Amino acid sequence: DAGVIQSPRHEVTEMGQEVTLRCKPISGHNSLFWYRQTMMRGLELLIYFNNNVPIDDSGMPEDRFSAKMPNASFSTLKIQPSEPRDSAVYFCASSLLSRWYEQYFGPGTRLTVT
Amino acid sequence: QQPVQSPQAVILREGEDAVINCSSSKALYSVHWYRQKHGEAPVFLMILLKGGEQKGHEKISASFNEKKQQSSLYLTASQLSYSGTYFCGTEMRNAGGTSYGKLTFGQGTILTVHP
Repeated sequence: DAGVIQSPRHEVTEMGQEVTLRCKPISGHNSLFWYRQTMMRGLELLIYFNNNVPIDDSGMPEDRFSAKMPNASFSTLKIQPSEPRDSAVYFCASSLLSRWYEQYFGPGTRLTVT
Repeated sequence: QQPVQSPQAVILREGEDAVINCSSSKALYSVHWYRQKHGEAPVFLMILLKGGEQKGHEKISASFNEKKQQSSLYLTASQLSYSGTYFCGTEMRNAGGTSYGKLTFGQGTILTVHP
């Protein structure tokens, strides 16, 4: 079975541009998590969804960040406008709601904002 | 609040043992351990619940002392494949016992195993 799929794998953009990261969770999983990883702050939870509904977005750093999950098989994380401090690896993870702690991570998107 | 892991880095030779600690200043319901190899995504290893100890993976085991709000990960007879960064993730619950359904990860412990 395919794991969590993320695209793009690498993104280089200029400050001020809009960035959209995409995630396809494992089929049958009904919880989805967006994380950001940096050397300084480690692995941080940005937002998570249960059954396509956003449950907790307290980790979203600013209004420049938004996330959607229009259906069970697709989610996006958008940054608009992007800033250099947004440079990080963004991971999407999915799980069964009943075993939400056993999260399967995607390969990540390495974002560089210049 | 982010849990604190120690040590920050460990260097071992194959066959040696290591212990990684994770502590929190807040009451914990469960502790979760993940391993991330360089350039890859984190991989779930195991979960420890209050009052329980669980072996989850190869020769890697862990304990959870809820009174001290600490967990320790034990790697015995280390193998080259154990190299990576180990993260603990902590789960808290509200006064009513409902999980927030999310993990807060520590900064990670870099484990390097040499031949």
